[in-house]
Amino acid sequence: NAGVMQNPRHLVRRRGQEARLRCSPMKGHSHVYWYRQLPEEGLKFMVYLQKENIIDESGMPKERFSAEFPKEGPSILRIQQVVRGDSAAYFCASKGTTVGTDTQYFGPGTRLTVL
Amino acid sequence: QKEVEQNSGPLSVPEGAIASLNCTYSDRVSQSFFWYRQYSGKSPELIMSIYSNGDKEDGRFTAQLNKASQYVSLLIRDSQPSDSATYLCAGGRASNTGKLIFGQGTTLQVKP
Repeated sequence: NAGVMQNPRHLVRRRGQEARLRCSPMKGHSHVYWYRQLPEEGLKFMVYLQKENIIDESGMPKERFSAEFPKEGPSILRIQQVVRGDSAAYFCASKGTTVGTDTQYFGPGTRLTVL
Repeated sequence: QKEVEQNSGPLSVPEGAIASLNCTYSDRVSQSFFWYRQYSGKSPELIMSIYSNGDKEDGRFTAQLNKASQYVSLLIRDSQPSDSATYLCAGGRASNTGKLIFGQGTTLQVKP
């Protein structure tokens, strides 16, 4: 499967716990974007990363949220001390490096439920 | 004004008809636009991208971009019940980090 992979697909956490969401981009892609979709709302940009660099985190909440994309391994979105309002679908998208290619391809998403 | 705006619908059309989905955008959004389809509980799936003024056709789908009016649309010909989904319009920010700004999405219902 050469598509964007995310895991887990479903994650249940109790308030105060930590959530770790993983994203492996499409083969050959080095740009990763994270988006959040709250129930009955549109997709909102959170963060844009390249390998070992956070390029744009203007959509990330200031507290409890962090993201990384290490040299080896998947990109990780980490939410500390989750609250009920964090319940949402979190989508990762990847993009290639070919000049003029802006298209982002989405993974299946992780649906986070905070009890 | 929202950066990317869509009518949430639902838009209901009979099977075989043309469905017309519309999207407007602000000055803060750049000139690259994308239409994604999202089925309930699923992830967004790219339908088309459009960068230049005018029409772009791909099978039953036609995207139209009018930069002067800051308007982008998606036409679906010969609509099928399987086209029933939420259609998301997205634009890139002028700052060119590539992040997408999405509209709220328009729900399309194609009735057999």
